[in-house]
Amino acid sequence: AQSVTQPDIHITVSEGASLELRCNYSYGATPYLFWYVQSPGQGLQLLLKYFSGDTLVQGIKGFEAEFKRSQSSFNLRKPSVHWSDAAEYFCAVGARTGNQFYFGTGTSLTVIP
Amino acid sequence: DTAVSQTPKYLVTQMGNDKSIKCEQNLGHDTMYWYKQDSKKFLKIMFSYNNKELIINETVPNRFSPKSPDKAHLNLHINSLELGDSAVYFCASSHRQVNTEAFFGQGTRLTVV
Repeated sequence: AQSVTQPDIHITVSEGASLELRCNYSYGATPYLFWYVQSPGQGLQLLLKYFSGDTLVQGIKGFEAEFKRSQSSFNLRKPSVHWSDAAEYFCAVGARTGNQFYFGTGTSLTVIP
Repeated sequence: DTAVSQTPKYLVTQMGNDKSIKCEQNLGHDTMYWYKQDSKKFLKIMFSYNNKELIINETVPNRFSPKSPDKAHLNLHINSLELGDSAVYFCASSHRQVNTEAFFGQGTRLTVV
């Protein structure tokens, strides 16, 4: 069965510091992988996605993620965090046959001045 | 132009009532979903419809009944509301056959009192 694990429930970083959010997935085949961000009171906005090809993908707002098949991971990174990045971040896996999207439990990011 | 729109944004109602949440997408997608986000931010898929046909029906009480009059609309009707139904409900849509992500609405915060 497919599943997504985000080991960090909450992360606090200083503004300007680098960020890495972890995501591990379990899936029977190569999945589609996504990172979404949810600001307070808002819906989910796609940050980036991986379908195939280059394992390092660039997204919006300066985010990137690296797909590592051997580790079943898809970690999200940003070299310098801004206060506006404070939000909830969700990793998701999507099936290649038929559309099913399954989400991790989310990581809440706090940015301190 | 809003891609996936839900109404209402907020819904407060008493236990035992019946309520509906409407969702419309103008993206030309053929698959639509309902997700429930609980107080811990966990996103759980409830239903998935493809071209008005029910594809996924997770373990959701039968008090929840999705209705898809056409592929641009997926409404959620909830009978005999319970306190535990309080959550944020998200509608989403995607293409089934195309490599793409799910697009989300802004959510409906349902509070049952």
